[in-house]
Order: sequence, then structure tokens, then C-alpha cells
Amino acid sequence: DIQLTQSPATLPASVGDTVSITCRASQSVSHWLAWYRQRPGKAPELLVYKSSTLQSGAPSRFGGSGSGTEFTLTVTDLQPDDFATYYCQQYDSFPSDFGQGTKVEI
Amino acid sequence: EVQLVQSGPELKKPGDSVKIFCKGSGYTFRTFWIGWVRHMPGKGLDWMGVIYPGDSDTRYSPSFRGQVTISADMSMSTAYLEFDDLKASDTAIYYCARGPPGVWHGFFDFWGQGTLITVSS
Repeated sequence: DIQLTQSPATLPASVGDTVSITCRASQSVSHWLAWYRQRPGKAPELLVYKSSTLQSGAPSRFGGSGSGTEFTLTVTDLQPDDFATYYCQQYDSFPSDFGQGTKVEI
Repeated sequence: EVQLVQSGPELKKPGDSVKIFCKGSGYTFRTFWIGWVRHMPGKGLDWMGVIYPGDSDTRYSPSFRGQVTISADMSMSTAYLEFDDLKASDTAIYYCARGPPGVWHGFFDFWGQGTLITVSS
């Protein structure tokens, strides 16, 4: 199975900040990586797929990059709704596991 | 509008069985993979498995194979997640989510609202 490691686990930030989250895969997943945001008490929401493609309806302040084993999600101009937990997911192969999550907190 | 509507919360005792459902609408149910994701209290997301309703092709995470059963009924546009012999450690919110059409290269673009299963004596 492919393991995904996110860093950092916790990310202190303020409204208006720009933050970056890293996701490293134990083997290449090409560009088959997605990012999700999960707000407290809510279902996850797809933000980015295929490493860098913004999902329809997702705010343009979210951006993804990377390929192979290293990927980054960048959030510019943090908004109150963005204080949440973020997960990467590889879908190159089964099982299409998630990373352990990064909590962006005030 | 694509929607996934899940069944309501369940309160069960250890050793009980339960089958929760996820009803899809607003798209051709049989042609998209649909998956289940566990969210235990205070923990991350766990990918459990997926099913392609068109032919019932089902793939499980090794962590969940033999522990749960995923199924689907095309005629009802509904997917199911079934547990036998529940344990306290099965207490979690379970989400269904829509995967891709056809061949699996599968992120989840639409999610259900989640079903809380609580297992307590």
C-alpha cells in the first residue's frame, strides 16, 4: 500500500495569511492526488484533484502542485472558513488512502 | 444537482449488526464508483472501499476486508455498508462519496452528510 505523510500536523495561522501543506507519498503516484478540506462537524469537500486542478466551485485561493512523491497545497488569503483540517488522497492505486491530516488553526 | 443522502444515526450494542445506506440522485448512479470513508472521533479519514454499481465490482482496503460488506442496488440508486458483530471501536461517522465514472482513478467529488454509528453497551 502507498503511505501518505502530511506535514505539518498542525499549522497555526491568522486570517489573511498564506499557508502551505506538504503531502509525501511512499512511492510515485504520478499526478493522481487530491486535496480535501473538512470543517468541524461537516463532510469533507474536494478542493483540488489531479495534483493541481481546482474543483468546480472551490475558491481560487486554493492551489495545488507537485508530482511523483511530493505535493503541496497552498492557501492564500486565509478566510475564517479555512480553519479546518486538510487531507491529501492518492488515487493511483487501491487502496486510495488519505494522509493523516493537517489542522489549520488560529 | 448531485446529492447523496445517507440514513440516520444508529445506536447499537457490541455484537449487533447494522446496515446503513446512501441514496444517490441527480446523476446516473450505475456508472459512477461510490465509496465509504470512516471518520473516528478525533482521528483522520480512513478509506474503506468502493463499489461500481454497474457490475458490482468491489474493492476493499485490506484494513476493512472481512470486517464490512459494501453492496449496491442499481434499481434503487442506493449503496450500502453493512457490519456484523459490531465493536465499540466501530463507533465513528461513516461517509459515502461519489467516485469517478468508469475506470478507477478515483477522487471523491460529492459526499453524503455522514451517518453516526455509536456502539455502546
